[in-house]
Amino acid sequence: QQQVKQSPQSLIVQKGGISIINCAYENTAFDYFPWYQQFPGKGPALLIAIRPDVSEKKEGRFTISFNKSAKQFSLHIMDSQPGDSATYFCAASWGGGADGLTFGKGTHLIIQP
Amino acid sequence: DAGVTQSPTHLIKTRGQHVTLRCSPISGHKSVSWYQQVLGQGPQFIFQYYEKEERGRGNFPDRFSARQFPNYSSELNVNALLLGDSALYLCASSLDRGGRVDTQYFGPGTRLTVL
Repeated sequence: QQQVKQSPQSLIVQKGGISIINCAYENTAFDYFPWYQQFPGKGPALLIAIRPDVSEKKEGRFTISFNKSAKQFSLHIMDSQPGDSATYFCAASWGGGADGLTFGKGTHLIIQP
Repeated sequence: DAGVTQSPTHLIKTRGQHVTLRCSPISGHKSVSWYQQVLGQGPQFIFQYYEKEERGRGNFPDRFSARQFPNYSSELNVNALLLGDSALYLCASSLDRGGRVDTQYFGPGTRLTVL
């Protein structure tokens, strides 16, 4: 499977600040890019997703920015709250998803009160 | 509406044994995918089933197999367990939208420990 590279591995942000997580991909056939949030002992929960026909998508405090030419996409969490402390994964799929999602290695986010 | 359910929650096996994990998708979803998540890593794709047929397979050995039943629930079977099979096994379901099943909703997972 083609890789999806995620950074940083861990991130500490003050309450009310902006959390930014970045991902880069290699396979230009990827056409669906979701972000998942995972709490300890739980399965990943879908946060927000984007397709490459748009450069930005916003849902509440969560925004995906997508740069097709650079093969990069990022998650921005505005007004970060302690409840946002979790592990975040970017992922990608292609061709309708029959080959499953390819995940990054995750970012452990801590929001300090 | 109930989300994706998985059973059992936790499981402890010894090397060489066989294990069966079960998954029930969200009502109306016809596609089920299985992932392995090793501690500290992202989930890794194992299988996808749609309408009881295998639609995709990841880079896992033949010791891993799966099937989907007429009610769209699914089983993942792992034979000859190795210590390295210890992981969280995740099931995800998808609603087919014109052939696309990439929007996947995950269950809570089954934690498998191999001793």
